[in-house]
Amino acid sequence: AQKITQTQPGMFVQEKEAVTLDCTYDTSDQSYGLFWYKQPSSGEMIFLIYQGSYDEQNATEGRYSLNFQKARKSANLVISASQLGDSAMYFCAMFNSGGSNYKLTFGKGTLLTVNP
Amino acid sequence: DTGVSQDPRHKITKRGQNVTFRCDPISEHNRLYWYRQTLGQGPEFLTYFQNEAQLEKSRLLSDRFSAERPKGSFSTLEIQRTEQGDSAMYLCASTPGVTGELFFGEGSRLTVL
Repeated sequence: AQKITQTQPGMFVQEKEAVTLDCTYDTSDQSYGLFWYKQPSSGEMIFLIYQGSYDEQNATEGRYSLNFQKARKSANLVISASQLGDSAMYFCAMFNSGGSNYKLTFGKGTLLTVNP
Repeated sequence: DTGVSQDPRHKITKRGQNVTFRCDPISEHNRLYWYRQTLGQGPEFLTYFQNEAQLEKSRLLSDRFSAERPKGSFSTLEIQRTEQGDSAMYLCASTPGVTGELFFGEGSRLTVL
């Protein structure tokens, strides 16, 4: 069974500084995808970044980068130059692209607060 | 707006009543998912459709829950004889295929009194 673990219930960061949100995963599959979503207080889940298990380069999307360490089964999200609008819940999720398990499994999330 | 839309956004009901949520996915997305999210938790998978076929149901989906996607377009999630434990945010998402990335709606928040 797939499992996503986010060990940081809450994180604080000063505006303009970088922050790393931790995510570890457990799967026996060779082919999978890792995602990060942002959920502001409004409730909508916003896609941030994706990393495929066979991708050799770490994914980057603007201020977001994913630190993918396959051997350690970790997929940490790095947010550079934090902004006040980054304050939200952040969820790590895994997708199994093999077999018939076509769904995302989410972690419990990390609440990020950006201080001015 | 061409995103995923859900209706109603908020629903307050008394225990024992039936409720129905509707989800309109992004046009031409053939996969549609329902998730449930309780306070302080990540979304939990309930069920998904490929076109009109319901391909997987979670054990979380008790007999009181039923989901449909007639004609492979919009979907409904009905909860019969609601219980206080059903209070949660019900999220709908769609995707054009087996790409992984899900596009979520803003959710329907259910409060059972």
